[in-house]
Amino acid sequence: EIVMTQSPATLSVSPGERATLSCRASQSVSSNLAWYQQKPGQAPRLLIYGASTRATGIPARFSGSGSGTEFTLTISSLQSEDFAVYYCQQYNNWPLTFGQGTKVEIK
Amino acid sequence: EVQLVESGGGLVQPGRSLRLSCAASGFTFDDYAMHWVRQAPGKGLEWVSGISWNSGSIGYADSVKGRFTISRDNAKNSLYLQMNSLRAEDTALYYCAKDSRQYQLLPNWFDPWGQGTLVTVSS
Repeated sequence: EIVMTQSPATLSVSPGERATLSCRASQSVSSNLAWYQQKPGQAPRLLIYGASTRATGIPARFSGSGSGTEFTLTISSLQSEDFAVYYCQQYNNWPLTFGQGTKVEIK
Repeated sequence: EVQLVESGGGLVQPGRSLRLSCAASGFTFDDYAMHWVRQAPGKGLEWVSGISWNSGSIGYADSVKGRFTISRDNAKNSLYLQMNSLRAEDTALYYCAKDSRQYQLLPNWFDPWGQGTLVTVSS
């Protein structure tokens, strides 16, 4: 099983600032990496797939990068609606696995 | 608009069974693989099971293999999860999720997700 490790566990950021979230895979997943956003009481929402392709309707302030074992989700200028938990997921191998999440909170 | 609506959750004693359902609409259900993903209270996400468009391919997480059975009824646009021999560690919000690509059960991402149905296993 591929273990996905996200860091940091919590990120405190002021509105308008840049947020950088990391995701590391225990072995290469190529570019088979997705990012999701989850707000309290809501289902996860797809943000990014293929490590860097934004899903339909996702604002351009969200960007993904990386390949192999190291990945980054960047939110260029945090808006109030972006404070949430973010998960990465690999889909290179079965079983599909997720990171433990990074909570982005208001500083 | 794609909609996934889960139902069937509730409080159940350890060792008992429960069947979850997911009603799909807004897309051609029998074109897509489907999945169940769960989230224990306050915890992260865990893929549970997936099924191809025609039920020809099925996969399970090791944690549920032999206890859970996924199925679908394309005529009813519905996905199911039969959960037997339930344990306390199965307590979670269970999400139904649409596979991102058509037909085969291959490692993929999920889009979209339903709102989930809560399963609580406790005596």
